[in-house]
Amino acid sequence: AQTVTQSQPEMSVQEAETVTLSCTYDTSESDYYLFWYKQPPSRQMILVIRQEAYKQQNATENRFSVNFQKAAKSFSLKISDSQLGDAAMYFCAYRSPFAGNNRKLIWGLGTSLAVNP
Amino acid sequence: EAGVTQFPSHSVIEKGQTVTLRCDPISGHDNLYWYRRVMGKEIKFLLHFVKESKQDESGMPNNRFLAERTGGTYSTLKVQPAELEDSGVYFCASSQASGATDTQYFGPGTRLTVL
Repeated sequence: AQTVTQSQPEMSVQEAETVTLSCTYDTSESDYYLFWYKQPPSRQMILVIRQEAYKQQNATENRFSVNFQKAAKSFSLKISDSQLGDAAMYFCAYRSPFAGNNRKLIWGLGTSLAVNP
Repeated sequence: EAGVTQFPSHSVIEKGQTVTLRCDPISGHDNLYWYRRVMGKEIKFLLHFVKESKQDESGMPNNRFLAERTGGTYSTLKVQPAELEDSGVYFCASSQASGATDTQYFGPGTRLTVL
C-alpha cells in the first residue's frame, strides 16, 4: 500500500523569504501523480501544484515549485517570496495512475505554515 | 462557476443520533469523492461515485455509513447511529470524467462533532 509522510507538523517563514516543505512517499508503482494542496483557515482545500511521475521536469506554478526526486521518493514544495496569504495547512497527496477506478488520494498528515510579517 | 458546496458547515449531535451530510459537486463533474479527517490523523478516502454508481467504497468504515448520489448530482452521507469516533471533518470533492490529471476540487468540509 502507498503511504505519504510529511515530517514537519509546523513551519514558519518570514514574509518575502523562501520556505521548503518536505514530503516523502512509498510506492511500488512506477507511474503515479503527486499533489500539493493548501487549506487556508477558511477551510477550502485548493490545489497548489501537481506532478506526473513520468515527467522529469519539476512542476512550477508562479511562486510555487517542487523538487521531485523519483529515486528518493521525495516531493518537496518550495514557496518563494512568501506572502501572508500563503499561511495555511499544506497537504501532500499521492494518486495511482489514471487508468482504472482507483482514483483516491492518499494523504500526508499536513504541515501548518505560518508566515510572519 | 460555482465550486463544490457542502451542507451543513458544522453539525453537533449526540451519540446514537443520525446525521446526514450533503455535497453538491461542480456542475458537469461525474466523479464525486468523500474523504474524512479525524483530528490528528491523515485525511482518509471514504468512497468514490461515478455518476450515481459507487465505484470504490473501500474506505467506508462500517455499515453505519451510507452514501447515496441520486441521479448523479448531489450526494448525501448518512451516519446512523453516530459514534464518538465519527467526529471529524468530512470533505467532498468532484472531478470531471475525462482528463489525464483528473484534478479533484474540494468543498469547504463539514465539521461533525459527536458528543
